[in-house]
Amino acid sequence: AQSVTQPDIHITVSEGASLELRCNYSYGATPYLFWYVQSPGQGLQLLLKYFSGDTLVQGIKGFEAEFKRSQSSFNLRKPSVHWSDAAEYFCAVGPKTSYDKVIFGPGTSLSVIP
Amino acid sequence: DAGVIQSPRHEVTEMGQEVTLRCKPISGHNSLFWYRQTMMRGLELLIYFNNNVPIDDSGMPEDRFSAKMPNASFSTLKIQPSEPRDSAVYFCASSFPNSPLHFGNGTRLTVT
Repeated sequence: AQSVTQPDIHITVSEGASLELRCNYSYGATPYLFWYVQSPGQGLQLLLKYFSGDTLVQGIKGFEAEFKRSQSSFNLRKPSVHWSDAAEYFCAVGPKTSYDKVIFGPGTSLSVIP
Repeated sequence: DAGVIQSPRHEVTEMGQEVTLRCKPISGHNSLFWYRQTMMRGLELLIYFNNNVPIDDSGMPEDRFSAKMPNASFSTLKIQPSEPRDSAVYFCASSFPNSPLHFGNGTRLTVT
């Protein structure tokens, strides 16, 4: 079955510390991979996406993610977290043929300590 | 780019009432999606339109839910009659073909 797992429901980090949010997926073929961020009261905003090519992708707001096919993972990283990064983060996977089948993970809530 | 526009932002209604949520997609996007977000079930795709035509409504929970897209710039999601378990945040998203989704800010629905 196709699924997305985000093992960490909630993470708290200190401002300036590094961050890694985990994402694992189960999919029949190499999918499109995404990370979205949702601030309180807002919709989801695309941080970055992986379609093909370089497995390390850069996104907005200083985020990056690395696709590891052997581990079926697409972890999100940021070297130095800012207080404004506190939000809910969603990993998503989808087929290369249609966006209606995009599957979202349950989300990881990030808190940042000043 | 005004983004995906949803209205109202908040809706509080009593059980049994009709609720209509509205969405204006980004101009030029030809795919439109309605999602529901709850703590228990996360983000669920309710229905998906392509070129104003409903493609997959298998996520619509019951016959009480209906969605229309009369033209490329407007869609509605209607719940009639509403029930307390329909309380959730409803998101509309739009996209070009083979492009990531762009989400609106959502409508928070509370049914008492």
